Amino acid sequence: EIVLTQSPATLSLSPGERATLSCRASQSLTTYLAWYQQKPGQAPRLLIYDASNRATGIPARFSGSGSGTDFTLTISSLEPEDFAVYYCQQRYSWPVTFGPGTKVDIK
Amino acid sequence: EVQLVESGGGLVQPGRSLRLSCAASGLTFDGYAMHWVRQGPGKGLEWVSGISWNSGTLDYADSVKGRFTISRDNAKRSLYLQMNSLRADDTAVYYCAKESIFGYGRPFDCWGQGTLVTVSS
Repeated sequence: EIVLTQSPATLSLSPGERATLSCRASQSLTTYLAWYQQKPGQAPRLLIYDASNRATGIPARFSGSGSGTDFTLTISSLEPEDFAVYYCQQRYSWPVTFGPGTKVDIK
Repeated sequence: EVQLVESGGGLVQPGRSLRLSCAASGLTFDGYAMHWVRQGPGKGLEWVSGISWNSGTLDYADSVKGRFTISRDNAKRSLYLQMNSLRADDTAVYYCAKESIFGYGRPFDCWGQGTLVTVSS
């Protein structure tokens, strides 16, 4: 099973600041990595798939990069609605696994 | 608009069974693989099970293998999860999720609102 590690666990930032979230895999994923956003009481929402492709309707301030074992989700300028938990997910091999999440909260 | 609506959750005693359903609308249901993902209280996301569009491929997490069975009825646009021998650590919100494009093993681009399963005596 591929293990995903996310850092930091919590990121405290102010609106307008840049957020950089990391996801590291225990083995190479090529680019088979996705990012999801989850707000309290809501289902997850797909943001980025295959490392760098924005899902339908996702604002351009969200971007993904990386390949192999190291990946990054960047939010260029935080909007109030972006404070949430972010999960990475690999689909390179079964079982599909998720990282433990990074909480982005308001400083 | 694509919509997934789960039902069937509730309070159940350890060792008992429960069947979850997920009703889909606004999509060609038989064009997509479907999955169940759960989230324990205050915890992260855990993939539980997946099924291809024609039920030809079924996958399970080790934690539920032999106890849970995934199935689908394309004519009814519905996904199911039969959960037997339930344990306390199965307590979670269970989400059904749709893959983004035809195939198997794609990202999950649509999720239901979830149904809570609580296993307790």
